[in-house]
Amino acid sequence: AQSVTQLGSHVSVSEGALVLLRCNYSSSVPPYLFWYVQYPNQGLQLLLKYTTGATLVTGINGFEAEFKKSETSFHLTKPSAHMSDAAEYFCAVTGSGGGYNKLIFGAGTRLAVHP
Amino acid sequence: DVKVTQSSRYLVKRTGEKVFLECVQDMDHENMFWYRQDPGLGLRLIYFSYDVKMKEKGDIPEGYSVSREKKERFSLILESASTNQTSMYLCASSFPGSSNQPQHFGDGTRLSIL
Repeated sequence: AQSVTQLGSHVSVSEGALVLLRCNYSSSVPPYLFWYVQYPNQGLQLLLKYTTGATLVTGINGFEAEFKKSETSFHLTKPSAHMSDAAEYFCAVTGSGGGYNKLIFGAGTRLAVHP
Repeated sequence: DVKVTQSSRYLVKRTGEKVFLECVQDMDHENMFWYRQDPGLGLRLIYFSYDVKMKEKGDIPEGYSVSREKKERFSLILESASTNQTSMYLCASSFPGSSNQPQHFGDGTRLSIL
């Protein structure tokens, strides 16, 4: 069985500050991990994914995430927040070897960026 | 770019009505998914389909059914709508194969059941 926990349903940062959104997962098989972003009144857009290989993954809009197996974490970071980063962010996990790539989502973290 | 189109952005229906939500994708994806999104709960899988006329239950299938008669179209059906089905519904599609294929999402249908 797999699960995802996102610590903090709401995170607020100042423009230009570091963004850190936390994600911990559990999985009985090697995981594939994803971060999605949802802007108001829109669907989800893929930010980045980890499958195999390099544990530091770079995505769109300056975001990156690091897979840490020992900590079962996949935290999302961005060095300098921009007002346009205000959105809801979802971490998701699926297991390698599955043919249907069913995703298990966390509850989401809403990011607010203030001037 | 992948385009997943959901037929309605907003929908208001009455309890007991049969409700159809339609989703079309233009990338020849084999896999299609229906989720509902509720505050504090993230996305929960209702049903998915890995081929035409094939379907599998997700985590919360009760009160829903699906139809996939053509590869590009996946319909979600609320047989007899109830107020607890008021939610945001998201459709997604992906290529098959290993689980590293990302899912591509539509913009969602916000459904209100009165």
